Amino acid sequence: QVQLQESGPGLVKPSQTLSLTCSVSGGSFSSGDYYCSWIRQPPGKGLEWIGFIHHSGSTYYNPALKSRLTISVDTSKNQFSLKLTSVTAADTAVYYCARDYGIVMAPGGMDVWGQGTTVTVSS
Amino acid sequence: DIQMTQSPSSLSASVGDRVTITCRASQSISTYLNWYQQQPGKAPKILISASSSLKSGVPSRFSGSGSGTEFTLTISSLQPEDFATYFCQQSYSTPLTFGGGTKVGIK
Repeated sequence: QVQLQESGPGLVKPSQTLSLTCSVSGGSFSSGDYYCSWIRQPPGKGLEWIGFIHHSGSTYYNPALKSRLTISVDTSKNQFSLKLTSVTAADTAVYYCARDYGIVMAPGGMDVWGQGTTVTVSS
Repeated sequence: DIQMTQSPSSLSASVGDRVTITCRASQSISTYLNWYQQQPGKAPKILISASSSLKSGVPSRFSGSGSGTEFTLTISSLQPEDFATYFCQQSYSTPLTFGGGTKVGIK
């Protein structure tokens, strides 16, 4: 059974780069036509999709974050990574990675989620 | 971007009640609509994909319907473990977008 685990610093200073890793265990995204989505949730608020990457390396970013965002994959380590540059307090959130079927695909949706990691942007 | 609007934003209900949550898309998304449940402090859990397809292990009291721009999530008989926040999400086009959430509380 596939499991996802996010990791990275819990505190990032303003203007610096937020770097997170999503480690996949119990399986591989290459065994199916999956994407890894990154989603975040500011304290007390709703869910915002950040972007996703196919195991082949194709990426799709939220235009609202695109200029600051890089999502990558290391298939040899079964890991996905997120880098968000020039962070501000508005980037404070719980960050999740999730296995995603992508768009206009069946059955659809994000069916496996990591537990989430809290990132606070503060000096 | 496709805007997803959920209503109501919150509701109070009793155990055994029938609960319906509505999600509207700003343009047609066919049936590319998914529903999630989120308990406090936990990651979301998918309940339904493709508008009406119940995910494995999800109780049959949950059901989804709709196509185009209007969708509903129904809980036929609310159970204590169902008090949570529910989100809809479109998987028709990028950027993927979520509804604002519906918090189901205890009356």
